[in-house]
Amino acid sequence: SYELTQPISVSVSPGQTARITCSGDALSKQYVSWYQQRPGQAPVLVMSTDNERPSGIPERFSGSTSGTTVTLTISGVQAEDEADYYCQSADSSNTFWVFGGGTRLTVL
Amino acid sequence: QVQLVESGGGVVQPGRSLRLSCVASGFTFSSYGMHWVRQAPGKGLEWVAAIWYDGSNKYYVDSEKGRFTISRDNSKNTLFLEINALRAEDTAVYYCARDTEDSFDYWGQGILVTVSS
Repeated sequence: SYELTQPISVSVSPGQTARITCSGDALSKQYVSWYQQRPGQAPVLVMSTDNERPSGIPERFSGSTSGTTVTLTISGVQAEDEADYYCQSADSSNTFWVFGGGTRLTVL
Repeated sequence: QVQLVESGGGVVQPGRSLRLSCVASGFTFSSYGMHWVRQAPGKGLEWVAAIWYDGSNKYYVDSEKGRFTISRDNSKNTLFLEINALRAEDTAVYYCARDTEDSFDYWGQGILVTVSS
């Protein structure tokens, strides 16, 4: 089966840098997207194809990849960034899509 | 602006069927693949089903093949998800989402389905 692994939680103080990882055997060949979900709201795309930031997403969000691990980096974290973050990818044939288990970002 | 609005949720008895709808506006619906994603209470996101822009191909999560049917009516800018033989584990918020290059770039607000007797 195709699985993506994320840390359950990440905590940082305001102004610091948060790094959220997503690991999976196929990620060296497949793109990853990232979604932010605040409580009670629908997910919002914050990063696509590993490191493409959609219009309207602050520049402090960036993405990178190394082997089978993709990282979402939030520089200069703000209180409003506190949310759940999910990575997502697809199989090579685009017939199956999968989400990671999600990471709760806490801004201390 | 792009809008996706789900409807058709509510409280349903186990074993019954339900059809969810998602009405799209603000873009050319017939040019985009679409997905359904669900989220059980307090849990993470789970991809459920996808359909090509023209409805010619449909894909489902392995665990729900046979019980879920995704479809679309491009003349009415509407996406559907039919769920048969509902069970308690189907209780979740169901989101429709637009596909673009393997990402889900726009999401609806979600619709709650509660399976309970």
